[in-house]
Amino acid sequence: DAGVIQSPRHEVTEMGQEVTLRCKPISGHNSLFWYRQTMMRGLELLIYFNNNVPIDDSGMPEDRFSAKMPNASFSTLKIQPSEPRDSAVYFCASSLPSPLGGYTFGSGTRLTVV
Amino acid sequence: QKEVEQNSGPLSVPEGAIASLNCTYSDRGSQSFFWYRQYSGKSPELIMFIYSNGDKEDGRFTAQLNKASQYVSLLIRDSQPSDSATYLCAVNPNDMRFGAGTRLTVKP
Repeated sequence: DAGVIQSPRHEVTEMGQEVTLRCKPISGHNSLFWYRQTMMRGLELLIYFNNNVPIDDSGMPEDRFSAKMPNASFSTLKIQPSEPRDSAVYFCASSLPSPLGGYTFGSGTRLTVV
Repeated sequence: QKEVEQNSGPLSVPEGAIASLNCTYSDRGSQSFFWYRQYSGKSPELIMFIYSNGDKEDGRFTAQLNKASQYVSLLIRDSQPSDSATYLCAVNPNDMRFGAGTRLTVKP
């Protein structure tokens, strides 16, 4: 298995632009998570899905952020409009359907909003 | 109170020493506990998990769990320079919550 695949690896965009981050989870994993990591706040859970259904989006910072999972093999995290404070590394992770299972992380997308 | 708290570090140990990393958590309903290692510029990588009270050993790594005290730790024996990384404690009541991480440096 190729693992969790995220794209793009790096994204530089201007303030106000729309940004879309993409994630393909490991086949057979039914839980998908979006995290954001910054030096100041560490690794923060933004939203997670079970069986393509959003379960908890309380970590989404504001309405500018939205996430979708149209099928078991694809998810997107969208920021519209983007702001400089959104600059961070965004990780997607997936896991098997068990609270006992660990997560497998993708390589992350480093987002810079200028 | 944060859900998962780690000793902030940074922690520096000489090569060959034991590195001790500590973590406390607030949710008594947590069932599973994990240690991730994250090298600079890389994604977190799972290195240990523990579900039951006591110790769990895997090579040079030992995870310790005390649910009554809501405490989990990671010991790294015979530390190597390649162990230099940030170690993240994670706790899973329903979804994974991470501590801020402890940066470990092993000096040759």
